[in-house]
Amino acid sequence: NAGVTQTPKFRVLKTGQSMTLLCAQDMNHEYMYWYRQDPGMGLRLIHYSVGEGTTAKGEVPDGYNVSRLKKQNFLLGLESAAPSQTSVYFCASSPRGYNEQFFGPGTRLTVL
Amino acid sequence: AQSVSQHNHHVILSEAASLELGCNYSYGGTVNLFWYVQYPGQHLQLLLKYFSGDPLVKGIKGFEAEFIKSKFSFNLRKPSVQWSDTAEYFCAVSSGGSNYKLTFGKGTLLTVNP
Repeated sequence: NAGVTQTPKFRVLKTGQSMTLLCAQDMNHEYMYWYRQDPGMGLRLIHYSVGEGTTAKGEVPDGYNVSRLKKQNFLLGLESAAPSQTSVYFCASSPRGYNEQFFGPGTRLTVL
Repeated sequence: AQSVSQHNHHVILSEAASLELGCNYSYGGTVNLFWYVQYPGQHLQLLLKYFSGDPLVKGIKGFEAEFIKSKFSFNLRKPSVQWSDTAEYFCAVSSGGSNYKLTFGKGTLLTVNP
């Protein structure tokens, strides 16, 4: 099993550009999450999904959109990137919401 | 809303020293508690978890944590640290009130000097 994978690993964008980050899991987990990690801030939840076709806002959703069309995939979109979105983005999945989460390797995004 | 506090931002130890990292949470009901570790440049990995039962939980790599319900605490301990334990450590909690997600503390950076 590959676990949780993320594409791409690194990306540099210019302000105003758009992009989509892909998260895939092969553990048949119902719950999936997108976090951003910034120095001194820990992990902050952007959006999450409790099942295929569902999404919900987390702690810091502004400027991001998500979709969960297939159970194994959770996409995070930035429609118009801003320098404040420079961060490391982690995807995670869990069989149940209260259980441990399994994390992907992260995507390092720089917005110039 | 639940919250998680990690008291130490950065801890510096020498090899063989004992470690204790503090974690306190704010929720008063039933909780599930976790400690994750993030080695430099890597993703978060689970160290240990507590759901119920024995409040002293043993995890991987010689780590353990003790759940003290009366103090709302879940402190992480290791009797003798190694240079390879240099990493950032995150405490997290899920609760009955919002059991679809984990709330993470801001993390404690541990530096172990050889």
